[in-house]
Amino acid sequence: QLQLQESGPGLVKPSETLSLTCTVSGGSISSTSYYWGWIRRPPGKGLEWIGSIIYSGNTYDNPSLNSRVTMSVDTSKNQFSLKLSSVTVADTAVYHCARHVRHYNHPNWFDPWGQGTLVTVSS
Amino acid sequence: DIQMTQSPSSLSASVGDRVTITCRASQGINNYLAWYQQKPGKAPKLLIYAASTLQSGVPSRFGGSGSGTDFTLTISSLQPEDVATYYCQKYNNVLTWTFGQGTKVEIK
Repeated sequence: QLQLQESGPGLVKPSETLSLTCTVSGGSISSTSYYWGWIRRPPGKGLEWIGSIIYSGNTYDNPSLNSRVTMSVDTSKNQFSLKLSSVTVADTAVYHCARHVRHYNHPNWFDPWGQGTLVTVSS
Repeated sequence: DIQMTQSPSSLSASVGDRVTITCRASQGINNYLAWYQQKPGKAPKLLIYAASTLQSGVPSRFGGSGSGTDFTLTISSLQPEDVATYYCQKYNNVLTWTFGQGTKVEIK
């Protein structure tokens, strides 16, 4: 059974870079059938897709985040990572990682998801 | 950008009631729609994909329908364990993936 677990600092200062890692267990991250995604939920708001990456390094990211997103994959550790630069209080959210299922060569739905980790942006 | 609008934003119903949640896309997305359930403090769970295909292991009281711009998630007989927030998500062939704002379901 595939499981995902987010890890990283719970507190980041404004203007700094948020860094999170997702560890995948119960399956290989090196599959052409899946991308691996990041989704967040700010307090009191809905879900927002941040970006997705495949093991070969190809990425998609949300244009609304103004090119602040960097993602990477470490196949030796079965992990993928997110960096979000120049954070503000608006980036405070629960951050989830998830498997982004490909169907007909296009990433579609997300399944399964990690539990999520709260990241607070505050000085 | 295609926007996804859910209604209502919250609802309260009795155990055994039929519950319907609507998701509307600002442009047609064929049947490229998924539904998720998120219980408090838990990871979102995929319920339905391709608008109407039930994910393995999901109870049959959950159902999805629609195509184009209008979609529906139905819970045929609401159970206490269905208390959660439900989200729709579009995945048509455009390189952004967008969620609705969520519908919170409570027991009356």
